[in-house]
Amino acid sequence: DIVMTQTPLSSPVTLGQPASISCRSSQSLVHSDGDTYLSWLQQRPGQSPRLLIYKISNRFSGVPDRFSGSGAGTDFTLKISRVEAEDVGLYYCMQATQFPPSFGQGTNLEIK
Amino acid sequence: QVQLVESGGGVVQTGKSLRLSCAASGFTFRSYGFHWVRQAPGKGLEWVAVIYYDGKNQYYADSVKGRFTISRDNSKNTLYLQMNSLRVEDTAIYYCARDGVGIHLDSWGQGTLVSVSS
Repeated sequence: DIVMTQTPLSSPVTLGQPASISCRSSQSLVHSDGDTYLSWLQQRPGQSPRLLIYKISNRFSGVPDRFSGSGAGTDFTLKISRVEAEDVGLYYCMQATQFPPSFGQGTNLEIK
Repeated sequence: QVQLVESGGGVVQTGKSLRLSCAASGFTFRSYGFHWVRQAPGKGLEWVAVIYYDGKNQYYADSVKGRFTISRDNSKNTLYLQMNSLRVEDTAIYYCARDGVGIHLDSWGQGTLVSVSS
């Protein structure tokens, strides 16, 4: 099974400042079809998870453009250009290239 | 708009069974696959099972294989998770999530809590 490792596990950020979360997979996430099925999910306190980014860098419908994803192979990054109060919560990377799908441990984004 | 509503959670004793449902609306249910994902209290996300659009293929996490069964009724726009031989470690919020074409887990329900006590 593919293991997803996120760093940091906790990220205190000042409002208006950028934030970055890294995710590393134990194997390449390049699928045989050529795509890389690496997603980022946000879970605000008390809410369900919500898809932010799919296939490394594609923002899902309704996601603000301050969120961006990058990376390739086994190393991926989620960046928030300017953190807003509503961005507080847990962030998970997830791979769906190989069964079973797997998630990172989660990164807790909090405001300083 | 896309809506997924889970139900059927509750408190049960170890060894008992429970069936979760996920009612879908706002899109063509039969065109999509669906996952169940769970989250133990204070913990991260754990994938449980998937069923594809036609119901012919299902896959399970090792932790639930042989005990849980995912199914769907396209005439009722509903996804199910039959959970048998429940264990304390199955205690979690269970979410259903839609599997889009090339976009996995693009919509999630609000979750239903399953609590298993010994």
